[in-house]
Amino acid sequence: EAQVTQNPRYLITVTGKKLTVTCSQNMNHEYMSWYRQDPGLGLRQIYYSMNVEVTDKGDVPEGYKVSRKEKRNFPLILESPSPNQTSLYFCASSLTGGIVDYGYTFGSGTRLTVV
Amino acid sequence: AQSVTQPDIHITVSEGASLELRCNYSYGATPYLFWYVQSPGQGLQLLLKYFSGDTLVQGIKGFEAEFKRSQSSFNLRKPSVHWSDAAEYFCAVGPRDTGFQKLVFGTGTRLLVSP
Repeated sequence: EAQVTQNPRYLITVTGKKLTVTCSQNMNHEYMSWYRQDPGLGLRQIYYSMNVEVTDKGDVPEGYKVSRKEKRNFPLILESPSPNQTSLYFCASSLTGGIVDYGYTFGSGTRLTVV
Repeated sequence: AQSVTQPDIHITVSEGASLELRCNYSYGATPYLFWYVQSPGQGLQLLLKYFSGDTLVQGIKGFEAEFKRSQSSFNLRKPSVHWSDAAEYFCAVGPRDTGFQKLVFGTGTRLLVSP
């Protein structure tokens, strides 16, 4: 089944403890992206990647890192999480990042709580 | 400034009644337009998209949307709502000059369906 898989689904952590949220897609998509969803703010883009070893900042990249060493994986790294990073996170992928495409495929989300 | 507006935070509709969810955008040129649905605890699923051509677009689950250039709107409609349609709906735009690198989401409209 074609899908985007995020892990974990739920995570509670303490301020300052490094964490990684994994994202993997099995569709050979070139483009991957991370979003955070907060009440009243919708989804905001954190980082995106057009292809392996190509990443760029979205609208809210502060406090986050990403890497794209393999086409299928796009982990989101919080080096020193803070309570304002408590949010629902979504990974998404798309066949390409170009102007002719078919929309995103989203993962099921990771609910992160930083205390 | 470029933006996507969903003016209704919540909408309640009786089962069997018609539905219209509003979406307005502010961009220099007509962007790519999308509607996504997020069921509770799930990721986002693409309902429909508009790239060009016929301004009335048919999607999955009986939804349709109409692009109106003069009003910069892309409203989502359904003739008869089912209880399973209760979810959060997001309008999204992809500026043509940046493709899907910068897919921007509205803040969402939560649909409640009453018996």
